[in-house]
Amino acid sequence: DTEVTQTPKHLVMGMTNKKSLKCEQHMGHRAMYWYKQKAKKPPELMFVYSYEKLSINESVPSRFSPECPNSSLLNLHLHALQPEDSALYLCASSQYPGLAGDYEQYFGPGTRLTVT
Amino acid sequence: AQKITQTQPGMFVQEKEAVTLDCTYDTSDPSYGLFWYKQPSSGEMIFLIYQGSYDQQNATEGRYSLNFQKARKSANLVISASQLGDSAMYFCAMRSTNSGYALNFGKGTSLLVTP
Repeated sequence: DTEVTQTPKHLVMGMTNKKSLKCEQHMGHRAMYWYKQKAKKPPELMFVYSYEKLSINESVPSRFSPECPNSSLLNLHLHALQPEDSALYLCASSQYPGLAGDYEQYFGPGTRLTVT
Repeated sequence: AQKITQTQPGMFVQEKEAVTLDCTYDTSDPSYGLFWYKQPSSGEMIFLIYQGSYDQQNATEGRYSLNFQKARKSANLVISASQLGDSAMYFCAMRSTNSGYALNFGKGTSLLVTP
């Protein structure tokens, strides 16, 4: 099973709402990623989790709060977002790269977020 | 610092023809890997092909092949026998050793396959 699932597929939220995005994989991958993608742009890295610990935060505003409850799950908690945060949010996972070689990242289908 | 450059914002190709999507890169890492992903309008990123910097042969995966020229720092994707379903955005990417091994993407090339 090489699937990464993301819920919900679409989300519309107001600027005062609190919502969460969920990502799940059952491939035993120990590296998980959140990317943000604006229309007609490439994905941009937000966060990296390695072995369930946050290893990289690409200076993301605190209104985005990631969480990795276990090795299969990755959440992104959203609070007090701005309209410019509207984008496609992609989750990905991979084997942790190392001396044994390099590995592709598997992406979920994404959550299309609209902030009104 | 790494840099991935895709100079073709859009490309057209006729069905059953071959097409080459360009990618050049710059990195100071002695060992690196290059990836190509396809993103249809639905949004999902689909892994196509991988080339390691020390691989002796160019990578191939079905109708996809990678024309890797290390000295020129280019890793062009060749799609043979194009199909209508190949219409999508294509991204060249490199794993960033400074960002937890996340992917650093080029700006992408939009490919349209016409009947």
